[in-house]
Amino acid sequence: DAGVTQSPTHLIKTRGQQVTLRCSPKSGHDTVSWYQQALGQGPQFIFQYYEEEERQRGNFPDRFSGHQFPNYSSELNVNALLLGDSALYLCASWLANNEQFFGPGTRLTVL
Amino acid sequence: DQQVKQNSPSLSVQEGRISILNCDYTNSMFDYFLWYKKYPAEGPTFLISISSIKDKNEDGRFTVFLNKSAKHLSLHIVPSQPGDSAVYFCAARGVRRDDKIIFGKGTRLHILP
Repeated sequence: DAGVTQSPTHLIKTRGQQVTLRCSPKSGHDTVSWYQQALGQGPQFIFQYYEEEERQRGNFPDRFSGHQFPNYSSELNVNALLLGDSALYLCASWLANNEQFFGPGTRLTVL
Repeated sequence: DQQVKQNSPSLSVQEGRISILNCDYTNSMFDYFLWYKKYPAEGPTFLISISSIKDKNEDGRFTVFLNKSAKHLSLHIVPSQPGDSAVYFCAARGVRRDDKIIFGKGTRLHILP
């Protein structure tokens, strides 16, 4: 079992650009959540996807959007990147009555 | 507004002794509390949890205590081992299992030889 996988591992973008991050959930998991972890902070909830729909959303602007595919994998898209978007982006997957499993994250640097 | 607070950014403990990590919360709607452990270049790993109907949960060397009236929980690790050196996040969520999880800023634990 590969667990939760994320790609790419690292990414460097410039301000104003757009980025897409990808997540494959742990086998058997149908729900995916995305978190942003800035330096020195805990993970902050961005949104959650279940049955290909956004079910919950944290306090993030519309520049942050996502998608879940029929195979439960997910993408996080960020438009019009700002310097403050530099962070570790974590994907977590889970199935009802289980705890969330986190992937290793994608380190995004915005220059 | 930090709903889950870990006021100690770091903690150093001698190997073999007890490590106590503290966490406070402000939202009385939180119903379920979790501790995650994070190594560099890895995602957080679930460690132990406790429901608001309990005041203690134990799993091997790890015990979590919950004091609802004080809105305080703590994680005890005994005995502490070198592999316990990591960042520990306290987290909380509401009643529903799909409620979003709110994390604290984390405490870096150093186990000294």
